[in-house]
Amino acid sequence: GAVVSQHPSWVICKSGTSVKIECRSLDFQATTMFWYRQFPKQSLMLMATSNEGSKATYEQGVEKDKFLINHASLTLSTLTVTSAHPEDSSFYICSAFAYSNQPQHFGDGTRLSIL
Amino acid sequence: KQEVTQIPAALSVPEGENLVLNCSFTDSAIYNLQWFRQDPGKGLTSLLLIQSSQREQTSGRLNASLDKSSGRSTLYIAASQPGDSATYLCAVTNQAGTALIFGKGTTLSVSS
Repeated sequence: GAVVSQHPSWVICKSGTSVKIECRSLDFQATTMFWYRQFPKQSLMLMATSNEGSKATYEQGVEKDKFLINHASLTLSTLTVTSAHPEDSSFYICSAFAYSNQPQHFGDGTRLSIL
Repeated sequence: KQEVTQIPAALSVPEGENLVLNCSFTDSAIYNLQWFRQDPGKGLTSLLLIQSSQREQTSGRLNASLDKSSGRSTLYIAASQPGDSATYLCAVTNQAGTALIFGKGTTLSVSS
């Protein structure tokens, strides 16, 4: 079945650090990937839609200059949290699908803790 | 704006019990609906996908139904087991190829 791999799974770093998270589709090509954020005891909220070869589309309230998304190939999208601060601590998770009428598959997520 | 609600927020049952988790959505014009399982601190595992034209899907002890006109879906779990303990998330897409809109989930605890 379709597999989405996300790395790293856990990051702890100092305030002001930039952190890059990778999302790969392992056995299918994904022209579109999605990045979500989940705060404790909350549901997943869409941050942005990552489109291969073009700029990402960000949801209202998500700073595009802080959360940089690059979708350079059909199997890889990256999310870079620039100059991270404690309020950016959260669970970040990506998803992708092979075809729109098929299930979306999720990575295992990245737990980001900013000290 | 599409909103997804899940009831109850938490549920505790003894092993072997059959149970139903509820999901409702405000805009019935969905493309599909998906049920997921999330273990603590982990990612999401897709359980069932129901296209807007379908009424139900089954996988093992799980059965998901969809009543699009009333904006409701249910996830039925038969003969629950302690290993079923997790948070169950319901999510919809409004159009093909778009992101999922999630409910807050139902946290299930099955005791042995």
